[in-house]
Formats: sequence, C-alpha cells, structure tokens
Amino acid sequence: EIVLTQSPDTLSLSPGERATLSCRASQSVSSYLAWYQQKPGQAPRLLIYDASNRATDIPARFSGSGSGTDFTLTISSLEPEDFVVYYCQQRSNWPLTFGGGTKVDIK
Amino acid sequence: EVQLLESGGGLVQPGGSLRLSCAASGFSFSTYAMSWVRQAPGKGLEWVSGISDSSISTYYAGSVKGRFTISRDNSKNTLYLQINSLRAEDTAVYYCAKGHLRTGTALYFDYWGQGTLVTVSS
Repeated sequence: EIVLTQSPDTLSLSPGERATLSCRASQSVSSYLAWYQQKPGQAPRLLIYDASNRATDIPARFSGSGSGTDFTLTISSLEPEDFVVYYCQQRSNWPLTFGGGTKVDIK
Repeated sequence: EVQLLESGGGLVQPGGSLRLSCAASGFSFSTYAMSWVRQAPGKGLEWVSGISDSSISTYYAGSVKGRFTISRDNSKNTLYLQINSLRAEDTAVYYCAKGHLRTGTALYFDYWGQGTLVTVSS
C-alpha cells in the first residue's frame, strides 16, 4: 500500500499570504496524484488532478506541482474561504490512498 | 446536474450488517467507475471500495476486505455497499464518489454525495 504523508499537519497563515502544502508518497506514483479541499460539514471537492491540472471551475490561485514521490499544492494568495482542510490522493496503485490532511488556519 | 444521494446509514450493533445505497442522476451512470470513501468522526478520508462501470472489477481496502461487498445496478443508476461484521472502527460517514474519467477504474473523484453516517455501538 502506498502511504501518503502530508505536511505540515496545520499551516497558520494570514489572508493574502501564499500557502505551500506538501504530500510525499512512500513510492513513486508518477503524476497520478490529486488534491482535494474539504470544508466543515461538506464532502471533499477535487481541486487538482494528475499533479498539476486544475479541475473544472477551480480558481487560478490553486496550482499543483511535482512527480514521483514529492508533490506540492500552492495557494498563491489565501482567500477567507481557503482556510479549511486539504487532502492528497494517489491513483497509481491499488488500494487508492489518501494523505492524512493539512489544515490551513488563520494566523 | 450531477447528484449522488446516499442512504441506508444508521446505528447498528457490533457484528451487525447494513446496506448502503447511492442513487445517481445527471450523468451516464453506467459508463463511470464508482467508489465508496469513508471518514471517521474528526478524521481523514479513507477509500473503502471501488467498482468498474460494468461491475467486472471490484476493489477493496485491506481493512474491509471480506466484510464489505460493493455492487451496482446500472438499470437503476444505483451503487450499493453491503457491510457485514461491523466493528466500532467502521463508524464513519460513508460517501459515494464518481470517477473522474469514463475509462479506467483507479481514478480520482469529481463528484461526491453528502454522505450517510454509520454508527457501530452497543
């Protein structure tokens, strides 16, 4: 099973700042990695797929990069609604796995 | 508009069983792989099980293999999860999720239901 490790657990930033979230895989997943955003009480929303492709209707301030074992989600300028939890997910191998999540909270 | 509506959750005793359903609409259900993903209270996401568009292939997380069975009825646009031998650690919100591509089974999920809560407790 591929283990995805997200860091940090919590990221404390202010609105307008840049957020950099990390996801590291226990073995290569090529570019088969996605990022999701989850707001309290809601289902997750797909943000980025195949490491760097924005999903439909996702704002340009969200971008993804990386390949192999190291991936990054960048939020260029945090909006108030971005202070929630983010998860990565790989589809390179069964079983599909998610990272443990990073919470972005207001400093 | 794509809609996924789960039902069937509830309170069940350890060792009990439940059948979850997910009614899909707004897309060609029979041409997409589907999955169940769960989230324990206050915890992260855990993929549970997936099924190909034609039901030929099914996949399970190690934690549920042998206890959970995924199935689908394309004539009814409905996805199912039969969960048996329930344990306290199965307590979670169970989400139905649609694969993001028409081809393949190992996918990302571009639409999710609102979830149904399964609570395992005596």
